[in-house]
Amino acid sequence: AQKVTQAQTEISVVEKEDVTLDCVYETRDTTYYLFWYKQPPSGELVFLIRRNSFDEQNEISGRYSWNFQKSTSSFNFTITASQVVDSAVYFCALRPDIKAAGNKLTFGGGTRVLVKP
Amino acid sequence: GAGVSQSPSNKVTEKGKDVELRCDPISGHTALYWYRQSLGQGLEFLIYFQGNSAPDKSGLPSDRFSAERTGGSVSTLTIQRTQQEDSAVYLCASSLAGGRSRANNEQFFGPGTRLTVL
Repeated sequence: AQKVTQAQTEISVVEKEDVTLDCVYETRDTTYYLFWYKQPPSGELVFLIRRNSFDEQNEISGRYSWNFQKSTSSFNFTITASQVVDSAVYFCALRPDIKAAGNKLTFGGGTRVLVKP
Repeated sequence: GAGVSQSPSNKVTEKGKDVELRCDPISGHTALYWYRQSLGQGLEFLIYFQGNSAPDKSGLPSDRFSAERTGGSVSTLTIQRTQQEDSAVYLCASSLAGGRSRANNEQFFGPGTRLTVL
């Protein structure tokens, strides 16, 4: 069984502050993929990043960065210098790298981020 | 290019009626997924289609739910004898490939259909 936990239900920050979203996952699979999605008020889920379990190198992409630590089963996501347009619900998701499991995602409960001007 | 489209965007129905929700995936995407987003349950997987393979129906909550995908493209999710607990946003997604694919497995989501069962 797989499980994704996002302990933070809501985070409120002032514009230009950094925001870090926590994600902890559980899986018995040795290889898997982790994702972050953004859901703005319009409702459409927007793909942000993907991470493979066999590559623990952390990266930065523009104002987004992530910290993947396999030892603690965590995949945290940071928005640097937040902007009002970053206000949305952010979902962490997990997908096993097993053919039989198809490609279905297991999502966390989401973290609502509110960036105030 | 065009993204995943879903119709209708909103559907209000009476308890006991049947509803059909439509999804048009991104052209060329072989994998198609349905998810449900509700207040109490969050985002849940419902069903997954990959090419001509038998669909993975493991997430369907009851036998009132069914889905089909015609010609490897458009998909229809049908809910029979709707109940109030079926009220949710139904999201469709597609990806270039499915199964054990280490590339091109990002899922791109449509805007969803908000279903309200009175």
